[in-house]
Amino acid sequence: GAGVSQSPRYKVAKRGQDVALRCDPISGHVSLFWYQQALGQGPEFLTYFQNEAQLDKSGLPSDRFFAERPEGSVSTLKIQRTQQEDSAVYLCASSLGRTAVQDQPQHFGDGTRLSIL
Amino acid sequence: KNEVEQSPQNLTAQEGEFITINCSYSVGISALHWLQQHPGGGIVSLFMLSSGKKKHGRLIATINIQEKHSSLHITASHPRDSAVYICAPPVGYNNDMRFGAGTRLTVKP
Repeated sequence: GAGVSQSPRYKVAKRGQDVALRCDPISGHVSLFWYQQALGQGPEFLTYFQNEAQLDKSGLPSDRFFAERPEGSVSTLKIQRTQQEDSAVYLCASSLGRTAVQDQPQHFGDGTRLSIL
Repeated sequence: KNEVEQSPQNLTAQEGEFITINCSYSVGISALHWLQQHPGGGIVSLFMLSSGKKKHGRLIATINIQEKHSSLHITASHPRDSAVYICAPPVGYNNDMRFGAGTRLTVKP
């Protein structure tokens, strides 16, 4: 398809397990963002990639969160030793822009709903 | 003070009514996104604007960059417009967005 694709759509894990969430951005999009959206709240920035380079990871809440985009296309967000507070929708967005241009639209995936039991 | 404030938080309207959602923000420089989020999580970008007004179908967005204020209007509202509407200014070098908490709109038939 032409949009941003995320998988799985839903993920249930037991506390302490590791999880991996996948994002397929729109082909050719240079910039890729991960956001975390807790129930009833707006999304919050986690990390940003420009091609394969992770230029900003200031939003990652702890060192249990790790993201990669090794070939500059598909990205994986990994959460180690999950905790209940990690339960949220994880959104991926991509945009075409290469430079710090603020009028670049971001295209969102449908998100992965993560539930930690 | 929150970086992005939206009002109202919840809005219920009858089909056909004119809707206005307001956004005030203290971050970002020159642009703002309006997003629509339906139940289940999917987010759709409605507008990205940096000045004046944009119109798409029944949706109109206006922005005043100097005052850091934007409004989203929906004319002739319809039940399918029911969703959460979020304003989000991009900030910083990466253009990651700061999101408002959203306005939950319910349009009744």
